[in-house]
Formats: sequence, structure tokens, C-alpha cells
Amino acid sequence: QLVLTQSPSASASLGASVKLTCTLSSGHSSYTIAWHQQQPEKGPRYLMKLNSDGSHSKGDGIPDRFSGSSSGAERYLTISSLQSEDEADYYCQTWGTGFHVFGGGTKLTVL
Amino acid sequence: QAQLQQWGAGLLKPSETLSLTCAVYGGSFSGYYWSWIRQSPGKGLEWIGEINHSGSTNYNPSLKSRVTISVDMSKNQFSLKLTSMTAADTAVYYCARVSTTTGWRYFDYWGQGTLVTVSS
Repeated sequence: QLVLTQSPSASASLGASVKLTCTLSSGHSSYTIAWHQQQPEKGPRYLMKLNSDGSHSKGDGIPDRFSGSSSGAERYLTISSLQSEDEADYYCQTWGTGFHVFGGGTKLTVL
Repeated sequence: QAQLQQWGAGLLKPSETLSLTCAVYGGSFSGYYWSWIRQSPGKGLEWIGEINHSGSTNYNPSLKSRVTISVDMSKNQFSLKLTSMTAADTAVYYCARVSTTTGWRYFDYWGQGTLVTVSS
């Protein structure tokens, strides 16, 4: 069964870096995912598509502070030079044949 | 750069049918799938279904019996109908564009969302 697992919460200080993780279920380690950001009281925004080899392509206007990487079944979103507006929920998403799956989301707090 | 603008009734009574429409501005319409996603209050994102320009659909199995997604190519619009609404269907509903690449699909543009409340 295709499942994406994310930690419910993460925190980091203003100006620091943070690495969020999305883990693909067993047997799906080659899957491509996408990362989406949802700021408080707003709709989701596409950040990037992230392949199993770590290559990624970002959405329109996404700052260079956002980057992606991969290792095995783990997909990472790294945000550097954290700003207050980065405080948001972050969701990973993938495609299984015939259906889309979302992770449960990680709530990032910027201290 | 695509823009998605959605609309529809925001307050429904139990057993009524939800009807939402999403209009697409900019970019190609026929080259993509188009999807509906919802988010219950305080919860995560749930995929509802998708459609392409020729009317080929995929639905979330948990909602399939109640969902119909349709497309109007002449207007670059697609629509969602969800029947037999209950309080559990109260959520913000989003439309989104689905991009495809080397067999993968992902949402790259989102609508602004519509809050739908089901209450008697």
C-alpha cells in the first residue's frame, strides 16, 4: 500500500535551516513526489517535484532557499535562511497508478 | 502561468448535492489533468478525483460512489458534483492542475479554495 509518512511537527529558529522528511512506504522507494506549502489561512502552493535521484524542479517564483534531496525511500525538503513567512504546513504528495496520495503534513514553527 | 478560479455554493443541508466549478486561465487546458482536493477543518489534504480534456476520470475509491467530475472544453472549466452530503463532507474544496512528467503526476497550480459547510 502506497503511504507517505511525515512527522507532525518541526521547529527551527529564524535564519537557521530545517530539513523536513517524507518517507515512502516499502516497495515504493523509486517514486517521485511533490512538496506543497500551506501558509496559515491560505491554500496550498506547489514548491517542487522531487525525483528519487534527488533532482528536482521548482514551481514559479519559489526562492532558492528551498531545495530538495533524496535518499532511498526518504524525500527531503530543506529550507535555509528561515523567514517568518516559512511558518506553514508542508505536505508531500505522490501518484500511484490511478490515484494521488498525500502525506499527513508537517507543521513548521519558526522560532 | 495558469490561474484557477473556483466557485460554488458554500452552505448545504444534509443529503444535498455539492456543485463546484473551476475555470482555468492561461496555459493549455487540453494538455493536463484537472483535479479536486478537499481539506476538512484542521486536517490534511484528501484527493477527490481528476479528469482530462477528453473526459477520462480517476476517483478516490472512498468517494467514488458519490462523485462526478466533468469538463467543459469550450469554457476551459471543470466541475465537481458530490451527492448525499453530510457533516463529514464539511471542508475547504480546492481545484488544481495536474502536471505529468515521465509517468508521474503532481499538482502545480491550485485554486483559492471554497469553504463548504453542511448543516441543517
